[in-house]
Amino acid sequence: DSGVTQTPKHLITATGQRVTLRCSPRSGDLSVYWYQQSLDQGLQFLIQYYNGEERAKGNILERFSAQQFPDLHSELNLSSLELGDSALYFCASSAFLGPGDTQYFGPGTRLTVL
Amino acid sequence: DQQVKQNSPSLSVQEGRISILNCDYTNSMFDYFLWYKKYPAEGPTFLISISSIKDKNEDGRFTVFLNKSAKHLSLHIVPSQPGDSAVYFCARSVEDGQLTFGSGTQLTVLP
Repeated sequence: DSGVTQTPKHLITATGQRVTLRCSPRSGDLSVYWYQQSLDQGLQFLIQYYNGEERAKGNILERFSAQQFPDLHSELNLSSLELGDSALYFCASSAFLGPGDTQYFGPGTRLTVL
Repeated sequence: DQQVKQNSPSLSVQEGRISILNCDYTNSMFDYFLWYKKYPAEGPTFLISISSIKDKNEDGRFTVFLNKSAKHLSLHIVPSQPGDSAVYFCARSVEDGQLTFGSGTQLTVLP
């Protein structure tokens, strides 16, 4: 158990809908990262927050947004869903900021868009 | 473009023998490289890392080697065990810590 929790574990929805994925980092970790794992793109970095502030953006679509709350949990919002958004979404957390700081991953949320 | 590439999608090894997983990268600056293991239906699990100023890092059965001139890193698992069967990802950690992953190598350790 990494100490990172994600809910829900599975999510099935229809095209055009909006969903929210939730992540609770390990106790004391200030950084939260979101990654997407799809069959054709592999594991890709989406967005990072540190202590409530957005720090870096990767290959995140404009239809996707995220935030980190004062209690450090984070939510990833996906809207106007398309079939191609079906993927595993992972949250990871680390204590601080910077290369070499180990990231611990949650179990993921499997999103299926029908 | 800072990429990491794993050119072998799969590897089979006999139990007790050495497993060697490989990764190539481009455009390195001061980075860290990490290896993660992933079982089906679970998130990636951190295994071992190496700073780009080092050549080798060891942790129990796992050793990572970094060849900067060849822009190549490898993970050695000795001895391999059936429980090591999983997908292994190499990753580069840059700037604020975000990871760029390779495509993964499925390791199967045969009993």
